[in-house]
Amino acid sequence: SAVISQKPSRDICQRGTSLTIQCQVDSQVTMMFWYRQQPGQSLTLIATANQGSEATYESGFVIDKFPISRPNLTFSTLTVSNMSPEDSSIYLCSVDGEGGELFFGEGSRLTVL
Amino acid sequence: EDQVTQSPEALRLQEGESSSLNCSYTVSGLRGLFWYRQDPGKGPEFLFTLYSAGEEKEKERLKATLTKKESFLHITAPKPEDSATYLCAVQEGDYKLSFGAGTTVTVRA
Repeated sequence: SAVISQKPSRDICQRGTSLTIQCQVDSQVTMMFWYRQQPGQSLTLIATANQGSEATYESGFVIDKFPISRPNLTFSTLTVSNMSPEDSSIYLCSVDGEGGELFFGEGSRLTVL
Repeated sequence: EDQVTQSPEALRLQEGESSSLNCSYTVSGLRGLFWYRQDPGKGPEFLFTLYSAGEEKEKERLKATLTKKESFLHITAPKPEDSATYLCAVQEGDYKLSFGAGTTVTVRA
């Protein structure tokens, strides 16, 4: 399984600001996935990031709010833009394994005041 | 409509008291059902994949089973270190996984 590192692990931000979350994988992967886990809720897929192409966003998520970069096969960033308290969540980076399972990073816990 | 429903939401067990968690799903073409463990402040940790009805997987005190409509995660003689939230997810069609809300298990010594 891949080792996935996320930074920051947690942050407290002010309303209206933006934060970029970094995800580094220890091996080359084709697809990287960004999930959101709001307090007490399940994981929701934000977007899929492929190297060399624009990210594919799920219903309810837009590029202006959650721009994603994927400059190479081991790295991706997710930016949460113009944050509001409703954006307070855990943001998780993941990659898929050979059997369809996902492997997750430790998550980035974001609190917006 | 929710594709994955987990029950109960929370489960409190005494050490050694075996129990089962349920994951029911409504997808039509199941490609895989996945179980994860999530500790507070951590990302989900992959446990099992089940692909077809009748399949079973075991790991230490955990055993996962699958039918055409649901999956069970059996915890046998649990220990306090088994305390965590257990997540179920299904894969239908492409690579996307749909997750349930999880069952939070607390095992008291």
